[in-house]
Amino acid sequence: DAGVIQSPRHEVTEMGQEVTLRCKPISGHNSLFWYRQTMMRGLELLIYFNNNVPIDDSGMPEDRFSAKMPNASFSTLKIQPSEPRDSAVYFCASRGDAQWGKLFFGSGTQLSVL
Amino acid sequence: DAKTTQPTSMDCAEGRAANLPCNHSTISGNEYVYWYRQIHSQGPQYIIHGLKNNETNEMASLIITEDRKSSTLILPHATLRDTAVYYCIVSAGGNTDKLIFGTGTRLQVFP
Repeated sequence: DAGVIQSPRHEVTEMGQEVTLRCKPISGHNSLFWYRQTMMRGLELLIYFNNNVPIDDSGMPEDRFSAKMPNASFSTLKIQPSEPRDSAVYFCASRGDAQWGKLFFGSGTQLSVL
Repeated sequence: DAKTTQPTSMDCAEGRAANLPCNHSTISGNEYVYWYRQIHSQGPQYIIHGLKNNETNEMASLIITEDRKSSTLILPHATLRDTAVYYCIVSAGGNTDKLIFGTGTRLQVFP
């Protein structure tokens, strides 16, 4: 089991550019979560999906952020246009039906917007 | 979801038991207590969870008070690799449920 796979591991971009973060959940898991972590705000839930359907996106900061899950094995989080305040570590996590309290996290994407 | 209160930081000597408290006085009858930890620069890692009874696994033990208003995570023999931020979360569970992380307790294990 490869675990939750996120790419890229690090991303450095300039303000105004589009950023796309990618996540491959564990095979068989049907819930997927996107979290953001900063020193100031800690670990924040942005959005989560169940069976590829967004369930709650109330944590998405603003319209510049969008997330998709076109199929059970892939999700993207897009920021357009990016701003310096978006700099953070973005984590993706997945879980299966049988273990709904147990999230498996990826290694995260360290995003720096200059 | 019920809120939790945890100490900001704790220290523990290597080889001793680390007891991490969590207060969740407004927990509802159907809400579980979950513990996760986050080692520096890694994603959070699930440790254990429980509803009413005490639980034990290969990583830790979870003691929940009879009134369920507080719990304690016990690492029986702390090692330096247990240095991390520990999060206590309460949630009702279910396929569409979400887990909200608070600020956690920063545990420092020293030699």
